[in-house]
Amino acid sequence: SQQGEEDPQALSIQEGENATMNCSYKTSINNLQWYRQNSGRGLVHLILIRSNEREKHSGRLRVTLDTSKKSSSLLITASRAADTASYFCAPPAYNQGGKLIFGQGTELSVKP
Amino acid sequence: DVKVTQSSRYLVKRTGEKVFLECVQDMDHENMFWYRQDPGLGLRLIYFSYDVKMKEKGDIPEGYSVSREKKERFSLILESASTNQTSMYLCATAGVNTEAFFGQGTRLTVV
Repeated sequence: SQQGEEDPQALSIQEGENATMNCSYKTSINNLQWYRQNSGRGLVHLILIRSNEREKHSGRLRVTLDTSKKSSSLLITASRAADTASYFCAPPAYNQGGKLIFGQGTELSVKP
Repeated sequence: DVKVTQSSRYLVKRTGEKVFLECVQDMDHENMFWYRQDPGLGLRLIYFSYDVKMKEKGDIPEGYSVSREKKERFSLILESASTNQTSMYLCATAGVNTEAFFGQGTRLTVV
């Protein structure tokens, strides 16, 4: 099953700095999705980027997708303490009917 | 508002008991998922269902079974609970090639 591999595993920054997380995958995709999880809760969908898109914005979030390199990045600009969470990518494989596999995620800590 | 409801937030069961975890969605989604999450291991897919009565094994199906008799309900069954099944269980639903919506999670402890 295809899963995303997030990098780095952990990231610690100061409030106001930008945070960049990366995701790599192996096979062709229809889309790639990013999720956030606050401690002890379910995941919340952040943004979906389709395979024919290169960049997408949502508020302070910017996602890029490079299908030739099979990689994506999530940028959070002007981070806040409330952004502290784990972030996961999910790249459903083109031939797997929407099955979502997650990696271990990136644990982001934003210090006030 | 999308609702994905898991039947319990916290559950304590004894070793050997049969355990049912229920998940209900109101989105008319085709796809439903059960994951377990353990520290350092991320989310691992247990089972996936893409239609009523259709299921597919995920990465760690051993010790689990599932049931999807109606589109809105996906049940995870632990036939004989063991202590190594103590974990956070997460249900999710998604349409075809759309984002997933998660329930609040069930923290299961097997003693």
